Amino acid sequence: DQQVKQNSPSLSVQEGRISILNCDYTNSMFDYFLWYKKYPAEGPTFLISISSIKDKNEDGRFTVFLNKSAKHLSLHIVPSQPGDSAVYFCAASAGAGSYQLTFGKGTKLSVIP
Amino acid sequence: NAGVTQTPKFRVLKTGQSMTLLCAQDMNHEYMYWYRQDPGMGLRLIHYSVGEGTTAKGEVPDGYNVSRLKKQNFLLGLESAAPSQTSVYFCASSEQGYGYTFGSGTRLTVV
Repeated sequence: DQQVKQNSPSLSVQEGRISILNCDYTNSMFDYFLWYKKYPAEGPTFLISISSIKDKNEDGRFTVFLNKSAKHLSLHIVPSQPGDSAVYFCAASAGAGSYQLTFGKGTKLSVIP
Repeated sequence: NAGVTQTPKFRVLKTGQSMTLLCAQDMNHEYMYWYRQDPGMGLRLIHYSVGEGTTAKGEVPDGYNVSRLKKQNFLLGLESAAPSQTSVYFCASSEQGYGYTFGSGTRLTVV
């Protein structure tokens, strides 16, 4: 049973527009959420995270929103750039200081120039 | 600033052959992980280690063994490779409460 779900395998967005990537989770023990970005032939790299005590975290063009009641988080990229084209993985961990992450299947974002 | 280094980067094995994938990290991280990535399946945890001399099973451990004899190294072994083990393998390391640092991956093909 998938505990972290990314229901959109792919997403295409025009350059300059907003990209919204969604993630749902089922485990109510999850309290720390991360987004990773992966380019072809490279390992995933950390992008942004959010703790369950917050509902928003912003870093430049990237903002993550957390809706705990809906068990839903989203990553907003504004404005989208062609270099943002990559696979984005949502991940979650449970418990204070937990070391183990559960990953979603990923969403492939294509930003069209 | 090497971070996490995986060797080899590519390998083709015949069914039944054995091999070891090496992961080395220079960040003094306690925790290390082996994942496999398959199309449409995301990242699935094979084995992990919470410190030198410890290992534990993840989501998909069958057909793999691991060892963590030194804190900086985490080895993934395939004793008898099968075509179902064709995948991209990623090693990662972390400290408790922080995100992972991943290696660049090993692309393994079993024919």
